[in-house]
Amino acid sequence: GENVEQHPSTLSVQEGDSAVIKCTYSDSASNYFPWYKQELGKGPQLIIDIRSNVGEKKDQRIAVTLNKTAKHFSLHITETQPEDSAVYFCAAIRNNDMRFGAGTRLTVKP
Amino acid sequence: NAGVTQTPKFRVLKTGQSMTLLCAQDMNHEYMYWYRQDPGMGLRLIHYSVGEGTTAKGEVPDGYNVSRLKKQNFLLGLESAAPSQTSVYFCASSYGSTSYEQYFGPGTRLTVT
Repeated sequence: GENVEQHPSTLSVQEGDSAVIKCTYSDSASNYFPWYKQELGKGPQLIIDIRSNVGEKKDQRIAVTLNKTAKHFSLHITETQPEDSAVYFCAAIRNNDMRFGAGTRLTVKP
Repeated sequence: NAGVTQTPKFRVLKTGQSMTLLCAQDMNHEYMYWYRQDPGMGLRLIHYSVGEGTTAKGEVPDGYNVSRLKKQNFLLGLESAAPSQTSVYFCASSYGSTSYEQYFGPGTRLTVT
């Protein structure tokens, strides 16, 4: 089955700086790569996703890049704000096989 | 719309007891999922359903059973709870296949003593 590794496990940045979270996957047939944000005491919420036929996608301060050859994808958050503090999860999906990364706890210091 | 709701929010069980977690969605989604979340391990899929009357195993199905008798509800059962099943359980639903956004419920925190 698919295996997803996510790094770093914790990340602390100053407000206004950029944050980058990276994930690698093992199954080259995976074709859908969502990123979820989970705030304390809540369920995860989708913030951005990318499909295997696209190399980059951007939505305001958030962007995701995908390198299919190297089997890794990254989340980029620019101009971070305190409300970006949360746990972020990546996932790699192929049909009904879904695997999530272990999560990255992002702290944005004001 | 309430989205995805889960009942109960918290529960404490003794080893060997049984219980059912209820998930309901009002978005007319075909797909529904049950995950467990443990520290340092992210989300792991327990069981899922691609439509009313169907269920399938995920990554960690042992010790759990599910039923999808109505499109809007997805039940997760623990027949004989074990301490290893202490976790936070999340239900989710999606419009179509797994390659669509999943909408998550608020979670159920289960402790088995």
